[in-house]
Amino acid sequence: AQSVTQLDSHVSVSEGTPVLLRCNYSSSYSPSLFWYVQHPNKGLQLLLKYTSAATLVKGINGFEAEFKKSETSFHLTKPSAHMSDAAEYFCVVSNMNRDDKIIFGKGTRLHILP
Amino acid sequence: DTGVSQDPRHKITKRGQNVTFRCDPISEHNRLYWYRQTLGQGPEFLTYFQNEAQLEKSRLLSDRFSAERPKGSFSTLEIQRTEQGDSAMYLCASSLGVGPSGANVLTFGAGSRLTVL
Repeated sequence: AQSVTQLDSHVSVSEGTPVLLRCNYSSSYSPSLFWYVQHPNKGLQLLLKYTSAATLVKGINGFEAEFKKSETSFHLTKPSAHMSDAAEYFCVVSNMNRDDKIIFGKGTRLHILP
Repeated sequence: DTGVSQDPRHKITKRGQNVTFRCDPISEHNRLYWYRQTLGQGPEFLTYFQNEAQLEKSRLLSDRFSAERPKGSFSTLEIQRTEQGDSAMYLCASSLGVGPSGANVLTFGAGSRLTVL
């Protein structure tokens, strides 16, 4: 079975400073990992996905995530936060090459301070 | 095709009433998923279909919940005898299943918000 833990329920950063949202996972098989973003009153949008092609994955809006198997982590980063990044972020895990159910973390709300 | 559509977007009902939500997936997607999201929580898996076959149901899905996808296209999620605890956002997503990259990428609808009074 797969599971995912987002280590922070809320993160606050100042505009222009780096963002780090932490995620740890467990999976019985090789994992597929994703980050989704949910803006207020908007649908869930895929930010990026990891599928074993490269451990550093680039997504939309300047976000990146690095897969670290030894640490079972898939943390999301951005070098410089923008006010428009304020949203809820979800780390998601499924099993690579298997059509199993897809599990979401509880989410991290990102606050951007002016 | 403009994406995954859900209807209605908002539903307010009295406890004990039945409600039904509809999801129209992206037309070429053979997989369809239902999730439930409550305030401050991540989406919780409810069930999913491959074409018309319902492949898995969560333990969250009590006997009052039923989902169908009769022709492998749109899906309905019905809640009978609603309770206040059913108040949540019900999300639908569709996908092509595992693609060449090995990942199953979901596309979500905007959700149907249920309020049970």
